[in-house]
Amino acid sequence: DTGVSQDPRHKITKRGQNVTFRCDPISEHNRLYWYRQTLGQGPEFLTYFQNEAQLEKSRLLSDRFSAERPKGSFSTLEIQRTEQGDSAMYLCASSLVLPVGEKLFFGSGTQLSVL
Amino acid sequence: DQQVKQNSPSLSVQEGRISILNCDYTNSMFDYFLWYKKYPAEGPTFLISISSIKDKNEDGRFTVFLNKSAKHLSLHIVPSQPGDSAVYFCAAPSSGGYQKVTFGTGTKLQVIP
Repeated sequence: DTGVSQDPRHKITKRGQNVTFRCDPISEHNRLYWYRQTLGQGPEFLTYFQNEAQLEKSRLLSDRFSAERPKGSFSTLEIQRTEQGDSAMYLCASSLVLPVGEKLFFGSGTQLSVL
Repeated sequence: DQQVKQNSPSLSVQEGRISILNCDYTNSMFDYFLWYKKYPAEGPTFLISISSIKDKNEDGRFTVFLNKSAKHLSLHIVPSQPGDSAVYFCAAPSSGGYQKVTFGTGTKLQVIP
């Protein structure tokens, strides 16, 4: 399978615990994105990597959140001291540039529930 | 500030008929617009896009229309099929040269057999 892979698919944690999600993008894509989606809303941009460089972080990404892409391949998103408001679907996407803009390929997401 | 708005949270259409999903935007600087489709428990999938310099783009059963003066776009699906039942997001990227995309809240389409 050559799609974007995310692990785990579901994560249930207690408030205050740390969690880490992994994303494996499509191999030839050098851009990687993290988005977050809550119920009834569209996905919201969190952060963007060009190869291993993190080039933008949304103000939604508080200092409890950290994302890395150490070798320009897979990426991790860590949330420290989770809060109930962090409960959401965390989506990773990688991109391919087209004549008319880019095309994002999303993974199936990690559904986080903070109890 | 919701720059991309989808005011209809849901839509039901009979199989074989036309589905029309609407989207309004406020930022006149968007260079192009995208539609994504999302099935439950899956990530969004790119469907079709349109450049801001065009007023129509067609891909098979899917056509997107852009009315810049009204800051409105619509996605037409004809004929609608049960497999089209999904949530459809209108979206637009910021002008930073990468996909910092603003998504609408989505419209859930149900195509009734």
